[in-house]
Amino acid sequence: SQTIHQWPATLVQPVGSPLSLECTVEGTSNPNLYWYRQAAGRGLQLLFYSVGIGQISSEVPQNLSASRPQDRQFILSSKKLLLSDSGFYLCAWISSYEQYFGPGTRLTVT
Amino acid sequence: RKEVEQDPGPFNVPEGATVAFNCTYSNSASQSFFWYRQDCRKEPKLLMSVYSSGNEDGRFTAQLNRASQYISLLIRDSKLSDSATYLCVVNSPGTYKYIFGTGTRLKVLA
Repeated sequence: SQTIHQWPATLVQPVGSPLSLECTVEGTSNPNLYWYRQAAGRGLQLLFYSVGIGQISSEVPQNLSASRPQDRQFILSSKKLLLSDSGFYLCAWISSYEQYFGPGTRLTVT
Repeated sequence: RKEVEQDPGPFNVPEGATVAFNCTYSNSASQSFFWYRQDCRKEPKLLMSVYSSGNEDGRFTAQLNRASQYISLLIRDSKLSDSATYLCVVNSPGTYKYIFGTGTRLKVLA
């Protein structure tokens, strides 16, 4: 069966520090992968999606970037975090048009 | 007009009640529709896909009305454990993207 992993589960980082969040999928190949952010009490905001290795589509101009170095690995990064980057970061993949989410990383920027 | 709109609620209902949520979408070319459930501080989980003919899964019934561009979710015999936020999701035609509503909060009261 397919599973999706994200780590870390929680993270507290100071403003201006770098960020790297990792997402990996098991049990499937060439999945479409997505990064979302959910601010406290808000809806899901699509940040990036990828349909293959090295292929990244950016939805929101900001200080975040994404990379897909391997088929089942999706990484979200930032060189310098802002307070507004705080939120719940969710990775997702698609199976038969249905989207499945990882457990998420809760990021607090202080 | 927002691409996907939901009444944020909260809907406060007693145990055993029947409750219905609607969700409207703006793009008539959308083809895929879903309901997700999100518990507090957790990732969204797929509750059910919504098919053109409507579909039922136990106490949950989903309907699609293409003419009026809305989908609905009916929950019968509400349980305390049904308390959560219910997210409506619609595909963005011609893209690999999915659009999420901001969610409807349900509280089932003892």
